[in-house]
Order: sequence, then structure tokens, then C-alpha cells
Amino acid sequence: GAGVSQSPSNKVTEKGKDVELRCDPISGHTALYWYRQSLGQGLEFLIYFQGNSAPDKSGLPSDRFSAERTGGSVSTLTIQRTQQEDSAVYLCASSILRTSGRMNEQFFGPGTRLTVL
Amino acid sequence: DAKTTQPTSMDCAEGRAANLPCNHSTISGNEYVYWYRQIHSQGPQYIIHGLKNNETNEMASLIITEDRKSSTLILPHATLRDTAVYYCIVRAPAGATNKLIFGTGTLLAVQP
Repeated sequence: GAGVSQSPSNKVTEKGKDVELRCDPISGHTALYWYRQSLGQGLEFLIYFQGNSAPDKSGLPSDRFSAERTGGSVSTLTIQRTQQEDSAVYLCASSILRTSGRMNEQFFGPGTRLTVL
Repeated sequence: DAKTTQPTSMDCAEGRAANLPCNHSTISGNEYVYWYRQIHSQGPQYIIHGLKNNETNEMASLIITEDRKSSTLILPHATLRDTAVYYCIVRAPAGATNKLIFGTGTLLAVQP
């Protein structure tokens, strides 16, 4: 079946512009996550959506970053007034929430490479 | 979440077993050990997880010590396609969030 998809795959923008990154999770997955990975660095958690619960925004680096998840499916990560330090690969992941208490494997998309000039 | 320690890099000959260690000496009783890997220019990929028993699937085996303070991921017959950064993550099962906290991982280079 289809995996997590993200668009665009690459985005080049100028400093100060706003950008929107899209994530289509695996159908039926109730949890959706955004991470980012700067060049040569590990993955950094940004935000987590689970069903109708309030999202966990604890990883968002500044108020220029926001995310929505409409209809419990597609999610959009928006970065306003982009800065050069926002350049990174932005990764989306989704998972099922099982009731057994096990943490559930996350399925990652290919990422969006954002370059801010 | 418990902190993990992994070697920065390792080499392995193609066709041989790759044994990747992970130390998690502060792991709590309800925390699982998860392994993900990230091949260059791709998103991370789930490999395996375990609580206290050894686990095996089609990709790898996970050996967890009896005191659970360390574990080893084993790729039985490494191929060139297994070259990747391998992340060991320790996480409690259920909570307010299921975010993964990635460390720096181990870069496994499989040599021909």
C-alpha cells in the first residue's frame, strides 16, 4: 500500500518568505508527527497530532512555526518569515495507536528539503 | 526518556554479521528499546523493538541483556544496502506523546 507522502520534495525560498509543507499519512493512521533534520544532525521532534486530542507542540522552535491537521488526515507545516537556520529536511511520520500500550512504529515519509537563501 | 549511547561509526564486511551495540543504563522497567535506521537521503525506517526478551524479525535480531542496561542489534548477513545510520531509542509505551528522541546514532558502513 501507499506509504507516507510529502510535498514538495524540494523547496528553495528566499529569507522572509512563508512556506507550506504537506504531509499525507498512511490511510488509517491516527497519529502524525513532524520532525526536522538539519545537515549532519539527528532528527529533532517538532509536533505531534493524535486524533482529536490537542497536539503536542513542545518541539516547535519558535512561533514562526505552526502546523494543522485537517480532517484527521493531511497535515500542513507552515513556516512564516523563513530564516536561513530553517534550512533542513522536514520529515513527517504516521503511526497507528494500539491499545496494548506498546509504542507504535512510526512510518516516515521521504521528507521535504527546505533551503532558505 | 532514558538516554542511549552508541558508537559513532562501525565498519562491517559484506556478508558478515553486523553487531551494533547500545548502552541504556538508566532504562526504566516499562521502557522499550527501539531501533530505526536511516539510509542516506531517506526517512528513518523502523527495524525492531523489544522490552526484555530477545526479538527477531525478517530484518534483524535484538539481544537485550538480562539487566536491560544494554542491547545489541544484529544484522545477520550485512549487504551494501544496509549502510545507514542506526538509531537506538528507549521509550516508555504510552504517554502524552509518542515522539521519538533520536540521538546521533551509529553510522554503519558495509564494505564490499
